[in-house]
Parts: sequence; C-alpha cells; structure tokens
Amino acid sequence: GAGVSQSPSNKVTEKGKDVELRCDPISGHTALYWYRQSLGQGLEFLIYFQGNSAPDKSGLPSDRFSAERTGGSVSTLTIQRTQQEDSAVYLCASSSRQTIGEQFFGPGTRLTVL
Amino acid sequence: SQQGEEDPQALSIQEGENATMNCSYKTSINNLQWYRQNSGRGLVHLILIRSNEREKHSGRLRVTLDTSKKSSSLLITASRAADTASYFCATDEGGAQKLVFGQGTRLTINP
Repeated sequence: GAGVSQSPSNKVTEKGKDVELRCDPISGHTALYWYRQSLGQGLEFLIYFQGNSAPDKSGLPSDRFSAERTGGSVSTLTIQRTQQEDSAVYLCASSSRQTIGEQFFGPGTRLTVL
Repeated sequence: SQQGEEDPQALSIQEGENATMNCSYKTSINNLQWYRQNSGRGLVHLILIRSNEREKHSGRLRVTLDTSKKSSSLLITASRAADTASYFCATDEGGAQKLVFGQGTRLTINP
C-alpha cells in the first residue's frame, strides 16, 4: 500500500512569503505528526493530530506556523511571512493504534527561504 | 527539546565490522525507538523496545535498554555499505505520542 506522501518535495520561496506544505498520511491512520529537521538542530516536533481531538500544538515555534487536518486525513502546514531560519526539511508522519509507538514518515519537504 | 543524546556523533568502520551507537534520555518513557535516515530525507523505523524489555533483536540489529541508566544502544552486526546512514533514537517523552529525537549518529561503512 501507499506510504505517507508529501508535496512539494522541494520549495524555494522569498523571505516574507507564505508557504503551504501538504501531507497525505497512510489510509486509516488516525494520528498525524509534523516535525522539522534543521541543519545542526536535529528533529523537532511541531504538531500532532489524533482523530477528532484538539491538536497538540506545543511544538510550533511561533504564531506564523499553523496546521490543519481536514476530514481526518490530509494535513496542511502553513508558514506565514517566512523567515530564513524557517529553512529546513519538514517531515510528516502518521501512525495507527495497531502499531503502537511506530510512526511512518514521508519523504519530507525541503523548504529554502531566500 | 531534544531529549535523546547520542554518541558517537559520527562513526566510520569497515564493511563486515560491527557498529554500536548509544543513546541517553532524561525522562521516563514507555518505549524507545531507533530510526534510520538516508540522505537527509524520510526516516525508516528500525525497531521499538518497550520500557519493560531489556533487549530486542531484529535481523542484524540488536537493541538494549537500561531504564535505570536511561540509556539504549543499537548494535548493527556484519555491517554492509548499504547501512551507511544516520541513525536516530526517539522516545515518547513521558508517554506522550510525539517523539523526541536525539541528534543522531552518522554511520559510514567503508567497502
């Protein structure tokens, strides 16, 4: 079956512009996560969706970052007024209740803010 | 916050040798996982060990967990060139669903 997909794979934008990153989780997975991997910073958690519950937004670095998950499936991460420090690889993952703990990652979106 | 600390940061060995990577964490956990990442993109899940387990095997991988020392190790036996990648440990901080990753170990297998 299909894994987690993300689009675009690469995005180059100018400072100050808004960007939207998309994630399609594995069908049937109820949980969806966004992480960010910056050069030299490792992977950091951004936001987590579980079913219809309120998302855990505790990892979002600023109010310029937001995410939605429509219909319990596709998610969009939006970064407004991008800054150069937003340049990173944005990774999406999903998991199911049957595979406790294990998360399945997409290939990521490499964002470059000029 | 980065809970897991891994060492070494980089490891270079000859093909056929064993590779050992270590991870330490700070808070209580329900489980610890190891992931592999090739070329800085998607992560692949390798193995999960629960807090009540001490050792787990999967093919050429062996993971140990010492909850008293809050540490884990990943052993890759009979390494191959295809094992060249970055390896990350990840914990469920305090039992939360989100993962907290270590900084990773960059493993290079020389043919």
